[in-house]
Amino acid sequence: GAVVSQHPSWVICKSGTSVKIECRSLDFQATTMFWYRQFPKQSLMLMATSNEGSKATYEQGVEKDKFLINHASLTLSTLTVTSAHPEDSSFYICSALSDRGSQPQHFGDGTRLSIL
Amino acid sequence: DAKTTQPTSMDCAEGRAANLPCNHSTISGNEYVYWYRQIHSQGPQYIIHGLKNNETNEMASLIITEDRKSSTLILPHATLRDTAVYYCIVRVGNYGQNFVFGPGTRLSVLP
Repeated sequence: GAVVSQHPSWVICKSGTSVKIECRSLDFQATTMFWYRQFPKQSLMLMATSNEGSKATYEQGVEKDKFLINHASLTLSTLTVTSAHPEDSSFYICSALSDRGSQPQHFGDGTRLSIL
Repeated sequence: DAKTTQPTSMDCAEGRAANLPCNHSTISGNEYVYWYRQIHSQGPQYIIHGLKNNETNEMASLIITEDRKSSTLILPHATLRDTAVYYCIVRVGNYGQNFVFGPGTRLSVLP
């Protein structure tokens, strides 16, 4: 089946650091990628939608200058958490969607971000 | 908001069939029903999806009622590794739209 690779799987860093998370579709071209955030014991919440070659669309309440998204190719999207603070600590998950009918989204295994 | 409602939690004995219900009474004619599951600290795993007809794959079966207002995911022989949160999601077939996740059903498979 389709595989989405997300890296790194776990990050611990100091407050004020910027952290970049990569999301790659390994065996298909992803015209659209999504970034989600999940707090403990809660469901996934969409942060932004990115289409290859265009600016990401952010959900209400998500700071686009805080969470920079780049989708430069059909197989790679990156999320950069700029000047991270403890409240940014969370589980970040990406997913990728090919441009093929009703095909499902495929998710990465997530990145656990801990800001000290 | 999610367009589906699911029970908060369910238990199932190992080796027995697990039947997970989902209500989607406001589903539109062009919306598909997707099922995912999430094991602790991992990304959601795709299980199955369907539009009108019942579907079966190597993981599960999906039964959709004739009026499409509800569906049931069936894991025919549950194992301990099937313990997870199961999400039922409805979405229009691919127009680049995201999935909206509800709280899902926490399935516990008991030995």
